[in-house]
Amino acid sequence: DTGVSQDPRHKITKRGQNVTFRCDPISEHNRLYWYRQTLGQGPEFLTYFQNEAQLEKSRLLSDRFSAERPKGSFSTLEIQRTEQGDSAMYLCASSSPRASGNYEQYFGPGTRLTVT
Amino acid sequence: AQSVTQLGSHVSVSEGALVLLRCNYSSSVPPYLFWYVQYPNQGLQLLLKYTSAATLVKGINGFEAEFKKSETSFHLTKPSAHMSDAAEYFCAVSENTGFQKLVFGTGTRLLVSP
Repeated sequence: DTGVSQDPRHKITKRGQNVTFRCDPISEHNRLYWYRQTLGQGPEFLTYFQNEAQLEKSRLLSDRFSAERPKGSFSTLEIQRTEQGDSAMYLCASSSPRASGNYEQYFGPGTRLTVT
Repeated sequence: AQSVTQLGSHVSVSEGALVLLRCNYSSSVPPYLFWYVQYPNQGLQLLLKYTSAATLVKGINGFEAEFKKSETSFHLTKPSAHMSDAAEYFCAVSENTGFQKLVFGTGTRLLVSP
């Protein structure tokens, strides 16, 4: 396993611009999660995919946010018309079921977004 | 709904001293509990997890935690702090069914002085 990777690691954008982040999960992990972490806080759940299906979305995920996971492999998170309040670390995690039924989540290094 | 409370946003210890980071949880169903560590500008690394097996859980880097249902606690301990333990620590809870999203506490920053 090469671990969960995220690209880019840092993104600076001007308010109103669109941004897209990519997450590559551990190969063969069927579950993928996006979280958002603001300064001084713990990560907050945004959305969840099982294979290519997006099965859960948090109320934190406004209409400006959209996530996809075509073919059940990598995932993208797009933010349209960015606002300063979108500045945060965006974390991706993936998991796969173990015999116990426990889905241990492995996190990527995150994408830090700064909206100016 | 599930929630986690981490008491103390900052904890300071001397190198070689006991580390104790507190976590209390709330869950309407049997929980899974986790401790993660985060170094600056990095993602989260799993230290240890409780998934309804042994209540005393041993993790990496000499850390351990004890699940106490009666106290709804899952405190993290390490007998002897090392300078490299300085980081942000997050306690998290998930349901033991469904898609098991993690609900995190606000974190505790551990400072280790020589």
